[in-house]
Amino acid sequence: GESVGLHLPTLSVQEGDNSIINCAYSNSASDYFIWYKQESGKGPQFIIDIRSNMDKRQGQRVTVLLNKTVKHLSLQIAATQPGDSAVYFCAEEHGPNTGKLIFGQGTTLQVKP
Amino acid sequence: DTGVSQNPRHKITKRGQNVTFRCDPISEHNRLYWYRQTLGQGPEFLTYFQNEAQLEKSRLLSDRFSAERPKGSFSTLEIQRTEQGDSAMYLCASSSGVANEKLFFGSGTQLSVL
Repeated sequence: GESVGLHLPTLSVQEGDNSIINCAYSNSASDYFIWYKQESGKGPQFIIDIRSNMDKRQGQRVTVLLNKTVKHLSLQIAATQPGDSAVYFCAEEHGPNTGKLIFGQGTTLQVKP
Repeated sequence: DTGVSQNPRHKITKRGQNVTFRCDPISEHNRLYWYRQTLGQGPEFLTYFQNEAQLEKSRLLSDRFSAERPKGSFSTLEIQRTEQGDSAMYLCASSSGVANEKLFFGSGTQLSVL
């Protein structure tokens, strides 16, 4: 069956260091992937997305890499800040233009001052 | 605040009672989604609407669950005869419906069934 999963449940980094959060997906037909950040007591917040015809996309301090050969997605956060502490989810869209997302289990990012 | 609004934020109920949650999407967003999230897990898709039409329902949505969006604006999610296993965060999201347009999530309604 389809699944989107993350390799590590918790990642602890020092403030100022770069963070890399990984995600493996199983549906090779998936076309659209998204990273969300969720802080305690809040809903998921969009960070960055990427389509399957790209292998890299950059935003402000964040970069998403997509490796379709091994069905792997990663989120890189540069110069991690305390405000980046949250749970990070990768998600894939199930069916084109449905907005129906399949989420992974999440990685908790802890930023040490 | 022009984001997705959900009410109530918290709901505590006894097993067997009915509960109803409300979601007000971002104005002019024609798509509205309901997801459920349990502790430590990612959100799970429940159902979604395009304007007032309910386009898809997950198998997770038992017959005790019903969602409506009567005028294509706000939506309600009702759970009848609640069970302890219904305890979760119920998230609403909306989008414009344009291809790959991102979903904006509300802060959710936390349901506790005692």
